[in-house]
Amino acid sequence: DADVTQTPRNRITKTGKRIMLECSQTKGHDRMYWYRQDPGLGLQLIYYSFDVKDINKGEISDGYSVSRQAQAKFSLSLESAIPNQTALYFCATSEGTYNEQFFGPGTRLTVL
Amino acid sequence: AQSVTQLGSHVSVSEGALVLLRCNYSSSVPPYLFWYVQYPNQGLQLLLKYTSAATLVKGINGFEAEFKKSETSFHLTKPSAHMSDAAEYFCAVTRNSGNTPLVFGKGTRLSVIA
Repeated sequence: DADVTQTPRNRITKTGKRIMLECSQTKGHDRMYWYRQDPGLGLQLIYYSFDVKDINKGEISDGYSVSRQAQAKFSLSLESAIPNQTALYFCATSEGTYNEQFFGPGTRLTVL
Repeated sequence: AQSVTQLGSHVSVSEGALVLLRCNYSSSVPPYLFWYVQYPNQGLQLLLKYTSAATLVKGINGFEAEFKKSETSFHLTKPSAHMSDAAEYFCAVTRNSGNTPLVFGKGTRLSVIA
């Protein structure tokens, strides 16, 4: 079974709709992250959380919000989706001295 | 602040040829450095990491990278490309305090020609 899972894997929605992307992990890591990937731009950090009571903005947090419901769960919300939020979204976890990250399989989101 | 520059958004090599993917970093403190690979329709997986032990780091699938402080580089190499190496590769950096997120480069797409 995958250590980091994301649901849904694919989502098509319309402009103005509220969308939630969910991430769960069985690795027991405290640190969790949300990234978006756009062709040619690499991965951009949206939000990150180093424990259940800690939430931090990344470089592109505008238009997004997050909720850390438990150590194992970290959700990303788009309150009112817009077309330029069409992208591939990744959740990741990490722990330890080196902070190497372990990624989920991604959610492909299309906003029409 | 840390940053990473990957030279070349697309690299094409023949099967059996040397693979060289370039990564230069900027960091005001000693860094930890990583290479990740992303196969089509998959998430990222760790290839190798530099954590200030050996400067030549060996990873999975025959890849290795050498940390060169004087050149602020961490280039990824493989002696002989295989068709299955076709993927996107990302270099990433973080501070060696361990409590900051990774900063990723924009990625290099590797194509392998038969």
